[in-house]
Amino acid sequence: EPEVTQTPSHQVTQMGQEVILRCVPISNHLYFYWYRQILGQKVEFLVSFYNNEISEKSEIFDDQFSVERPDGSNFTLKIRSTKLEDSAMYFCASGDRVQNQPQHFGDGTRLSIL
Amino acid sequence: AQSVTQLGSHVSVSEGALVLLRCNYSSSVPPYLFWYVQYPNQGLQLLLKYTSAATLVKGINGFEAEFKKSETSFHLTKPSAHMSDAAEYFCAVSSRSGNTGKLIFGQGTTLQVKP
Repeated sequence: EPEVTQTPSHQVTQMGQEVILRCVPISNHLYFYWYRQILGQKVEFLVSFYNNEISEKSEIFDDQFSVERPDGSNFTLKIRSTKLEDSAMYFCASGDRVQNQPQHFGDGTRLSIL
Repeated sequence: AQSVTQLGSHVSVSEGALVLLRCNYSSSVPPYLFWYVQYPNQGLQLLLKYTSAATLVKGINGFEAEFKKSETSFHLTKPSAHMSDAAEYFCAVSSRSGNTGKLIFGQGTTLQVKP
């Protein structure tokens, strides 16, 4: 079964540094998402992306965050200047043409900010 | 605005017993409703979804959920728990109209299955 893949599985970064989280969605999917889960808390929506632009973003997704689909296969989340509170599990997801809610999630990247 | 409340952060059942995980939603527009399961160190896997067809929805691994509009509920059930069902379960809601695919998740329920 096709799957969403995320790299790296664990990223440790110094506070203030930039970090890029990478995702390869399922190849024929059109809708892409990032969610995050702070330890012990619920999964929170960050951003949705369709047709090469952001379709919706949450209040968490401030100017420090950006997303990009640079080459038609990868989907990246960049955090420009990381803060301690950015420590979380970040999930990428994708959805197909029939129904755009995320059908498939990746296994996540655990981001630890020191 | 939409929201989801999962009653009970931890549920413990014996192997072979009924599993009931509760989810209530709030939505000003007709909702789509979902249950996801998360095994340790893994991503979220879609168990089942309600998208306005049958109110009783069957999913993978023997799970099912019933949409009850009058009760604004979408509880997840399984007749007989298996040890492999031990995981974190998330209920989520999405809007049908103007939908960008955003899911609003509940806090999650950890299911423990005792031998």
